[in-house]
Parts: sequence; C-alpha cells; structure tokens
Amino acid sequence: QVQLQESGPGLVKPSQTLSLTCTVSGGSISSGGYYWSWIRQHPGKGLEWIGYIYYSGSTYYNPSLKSRVTISVDTSKNQFSLKLSSVTAADTAVYYCARVSAAAADYWGQGTLVTVSS
Amino acid sequence: DIQMTQSPSSLSASVGDRVTITCQASQDISNYLNWYQQKPGKAPKLLIYDASNLETGVPSRFSGSGSGTDFTFTISSLQPEDIATYYCQQYDNLRWTFGQGTKVEIK
Repeated sequence: QVQLQESGPGLVKPSQTLSLTCTVSGGSISSGGYYWSWIRQHPGKGLEWIGYIYYSGSTYYNPSLKSRVTISVDTSKNQFSLKLSSVTAADTAVYYCARVSAAAADYWGQGTLVTVSS
Repeated sequence: DIQMTQSPSSLSASVGDRVTITCQASQDISNYLNWYQQKPGKAPKLLIYDASNLETGVPSRFSGSGSGTDFTFTISSLQPEDIATYYCQQYDNLRWTFGQGTKVEIK
C-alpha cells in the first residue's frame, strides 16, 4: 500500500520560500510509471494543481505558478519536494502531495497546512 | 487554458435519491476527466477516471459518463456516507484543472 506524507514548516513569512517534502513509502519513485504531484487547497476553497514530476526529473507546472515553483525529486530518499518562492498570504493553503497514475491522483498524503504570516 | 464549469455548487437530496453533477470543459478534452470525493478534513479520493471507469474498491452506485466537453457524475442511490464535496478534474496537454466543486448534503 503506497503512502505519502508531507512535511515542512507550517508557518512561512511573506516574501520567503515555502519548502515542503513528500516522503513516499510502500513503493519506489524510481521504479517509474507514475508522476508525483503537488496540489493545494486554499481554506474553504477548491483544489488547485501546482505541478508534477517524473522520477527522471521532468516537470510540468501550473502556468499561473510556474515562475515561482520548483518541484524536485530525490530518488535515494524516495522523496519529492516543492519550493514556492516569494510567498504572500494568498499562498496560505493545505498542500497535498499525490501519486499520479494515468493522469489521475490515486494516492494522496493527508495534507499539511501552510500559513503565510509575519 | 482549459476551464471547467461544474454545477451545481451545492445540492441537498434525500437518502436513496439519484444525484447528478455536471462538468463542462471549455474545449474538447476527449475522455480526459476524473472525479474525486473529498470529505471534511480529509484528502480527496479518486472515484472515477477517464470519465467513466470506476476506481478499484469504489461502490458501484458511483458512475461517470461523457466525452468531449460535457460530463456527468451520478450517485444512483445517495447514502449518508456520501456526504462530501465532489470535484471533476481534467488533464490536457499535461496540465490539470479542477472544477469548483459540488457540496452534497442530506435533506
């Protein structure tokens, strides 16, 4: 059973960089066949796709966030990460990591709330 | 970018009722459409992929249909445990967009 777990600071100051890591267990990122994604949800709002990465390092980002987003993968640790730069209060959200199988997110982490505030 | 218009934004129905949610894409997306269920405080759960395929382990009262620009998600007989928000999600050209969500409540 694949499990994903987000980790990282729950509070980030405005203009700083938000950094989160997703640790995958029960399956190997480097085995291929899946993309690994970040999705966020503003409080009380809908879902917003941030981007995803393949084990090889190929990435695809939401055009509206592309200038501030970097997703990377560390196959040795079976982790992938999200960096979002120059954050504002509008980036306050629950951030989810997910496995993508055939363009559907079939396994999700529990989500982690990141608040942007001074 | 492809926009998804999901309706209604909320609905209230009785246990046993048939519930239908629609999602319209701003351009043809073939069958590149998934449906998720999200219960309060929980991560979304994949129910339907490629417009009409039931994810393993998902009850058969859930179904999806459609292609091109118009898609439908149906709960054939609403159960109390189906109280949740439902989202459609399209994937086209390696980019995703979610619908705005439909909150389903029991009358």
